[in-house]
Amino acid sequence: AIQMTQSPSSLSASVGDRVTITCRASQGVRNDLGWYQQKPGRAPKLLIYAASILEGGVPSRFSGSGSGTEFTLTISSLEPEDFATYYCVHDYNYPLIFGPGTKVEI
Amino acid sequence: EVQLVESGGGLVQPGGSLRLSCAASGFVFSTSWMNWVRQAPGKGLEWVANVNPDGSERNYLDSVKGRFTISRDNAKNSLYLHMNSLRADDTSVYYCARDRAYCDRASCYTVLDSWGQGTLVTVSS
Repeated sequence: AIQMTQSPSSLSASVGDRVTITCRASQGVRNDLGWYQQKPGRAPKLLIYAASILEGGVPSRFSGSGSGTEFTLTISSLEPEDFATYYCVHDYNYPLIFGPGTKVEI
Repeated sequence: EVQLVESGGGLVQPGGSLRLSCAASGFVFSTSWMNWVRQAPGKGLEWVANVNPDGSERNYLDSVKGRFTISRDNAKNSLYLHMNSLRADDTSVYYCARDRAYCDRASCYTVLDSWGQGTLVTVSS
């Protein structure tokens, strides 16, 4: 199975900061990659699919890029409600594999 | 409004069985791929299984193959996960999720756009 890694595993940031999270796949997954946000005790929320397509209703400060084996999620200006854990997941083949997550803390 | 409501979780002994259900509403269930995703306490997300709209194609995580079966009843707008030979490492919150699916000229992409609130399965003696 394809392995997914994320870096960093956690980061501390302030409101207004630009934040970049990197996701790497152990082999090429084209642009078959999504990003999800999860807050404690809540179900995950879709942010981005197909590596760079922003889900409807998601603020434009979120953006995704990359293809092949390296992908990034960028939050251009962190808002208080963005403090959460972020997961990438490839859907290139089965099984779908999530990255280990990146916790964004104040 | 899309709604997914899981049920059926609980405490079960190692080696035991459990059936999870997910009641769907607010969309055309019979045309949607559906998924189960789980999360062990304090851990990350793990995709478990999915099923195509008519139930003829099912895919599984290797560690649950032969033990778990995903199924659906389109007449009842319901998704199921039958879990046998449960192990301690199956302890998780189990979420059902709809795959809206998006296709362009190059590929089709998994888009898990709606999730239930989850149901907790605890495997322990």
